[in-house]
Amino acid sequence: DIQMTQSPASLSASLGETVTIECLASEDIYSNLAWYQQKPGKSPQLLIYDASSLQDGVPSRFSGSESGTQYSLEINSLQSEDAATYFCQQHHDYPYTFGAGTKLELK
Amino acid sequence: QVQLQQSGAELVKPGSSVKMSCKASGYTFTSYYIYWIKQRPGQGLEWIGRIGPGSGDTNYNEKFKGKATFTVDKSSSTAYMQLSSLTPEDTAVYYCARSRITIAAISTGYFDYWGQGVMVTVSS
Repeated sequence: DIQMTQSPASLSASLGETVTIECLASEDIYSNLAWYQQKPGKSPQLLIYDASSLQDGVPSRFSGSESGTQYSLEINSLQSEDAATYFCQQHHDYPYTFGAGTKLELK
Repeated sequence: QVQLQQSGAELVKPGSSVKMSCKASGYTFTSYYIYWIKQRPGQGLEWIGRIGPGSGDTNYNEKFKGKATFTVDKSSSTAYMQLSSLTPEDTAVYYCARSRITIAAISTGYFDYWGQGVMVTVSS
């Protein structure tokens, strides 16, 4: 199985700041990576797919990038509603696997 | 609008089985795979497997073979997952989610709509 190592496990940031969350794949996943946002008691919501494509309706302050097997989610100009847990997911090969999650807290 | 409406919470005894549903609406049911994902309380996400609503073909995570069984009813646009021989480790929220089937008959692999989840509690 492809392992997705996500970091950091948690972070705290202030309104208006920029944060970056990373996922390292254990092998090449050829840009087949998605990012999700999950708020407490809610289902995950798709933010980014194919490493850098923004899902319809998602604010442009969210962006995805890659460098080799390292994938990043950047959130610019943090808003209060961005407080959530973020997960990466590789969709290159079965079984699809997820990162352990990053809990983002707003100061 | 696209919706995946899941059945209600379940409280079941160890050793029993449970069957949950995921009713799709607002799109062509057979154009998207239905996936099932497990989330234990306070934990991450785990891919259980998927079913093709048109063909009924399935793909299971090895870890869940023998545990989970997927079926569909095209007439009602509903997918089902049965979990058997339940243990406390099966206590979790179970989500269904959809992923588009491409012209090449493969999944895009990412999930653009999710159900609201079914909380399954296994306890005596």
